[in-house]
Amino acid sequence: GAVVSQHPSWVICKSGTSVKIECRSLDFQATTMFWYRQFPKQSLMLMATSNEGSKATYEQGVEKDKFLINHASLTLSTLTVTSAHPEDSSFYICSAFRPRQGKDYEQYFGPGTRLTVT
Amino acid sequence: GEDVEQSLFLSVREGDSSVINCTYTDSSSTYLYWYKQEPGAGLQLLTYIFSNMDMKQDQRLTVLLNKKDKHLSLRIADTQTGDSAIYFCAEMGNTDKLIFGTGTRLQVFP
Repeated sequence: GAVVSQHPSWVICKSGTSVKIECRSLDFQATTMFWYRQFPKQSLMLMATSNEGSKATYEQGVEKDKFLINHASLTLSTLTVTSAHPEDSSFYICSAFRPRQGKDYEQYFGPGTRLTVT
Repeated sequence: GEDVEQSLFLSVREGDSSVINCTYTDSSSTYLYWYKQEPGAGLQLLTYIFSNMDMKQDQRLTVLLNKKDKHLSLRIADTQTGDSAIYFCAEMGNTDKLIFGTGTRLQVFP
């Protein structure tokens, strides 16, 4: 079946550094990917919609200069957390749409990346 | 492992109530969520319920939880065409990871 991978699965970084998280669709082309953030014991919150070949659409309250999204190909979207701070520590999850016949689609979630900023 | 199941489709007439059902297997669930996904868009959190609650109401939305049967439902009163979307339930247990259902596609017709 379709698989969405994320890399790394777990990362620890020092405050002030930048971290890049990759989201790949392994056996299908995804024109649209989504980035979510999940705080401990809290729900998943949509951060941005990533469209191949165009700028990402950010949800209200998400700093686009801090969370840089690049959807450079049909199988890869990256999320870069710039100048990370401890409050950015979270679980980041991506999902990808795989088109089906007509306007229908399936959605697949990545396994998530746990970011800890010290 | 944990499993969350939903029926795939629901079709209702505009103005009627919609009831979307969800069952889960994790007895350690602490939070249960309902998300809405409109065509081409990401998931949006609709509402959630703590596992020690039986019911939560938020405007047109009513969530019912039967913890004994591990059954969760979302009732949408006075369903409108704008409610047409895919609705996902999700549960969170002790692992702190969300487990999603397969989603129920709600279609509202005039």
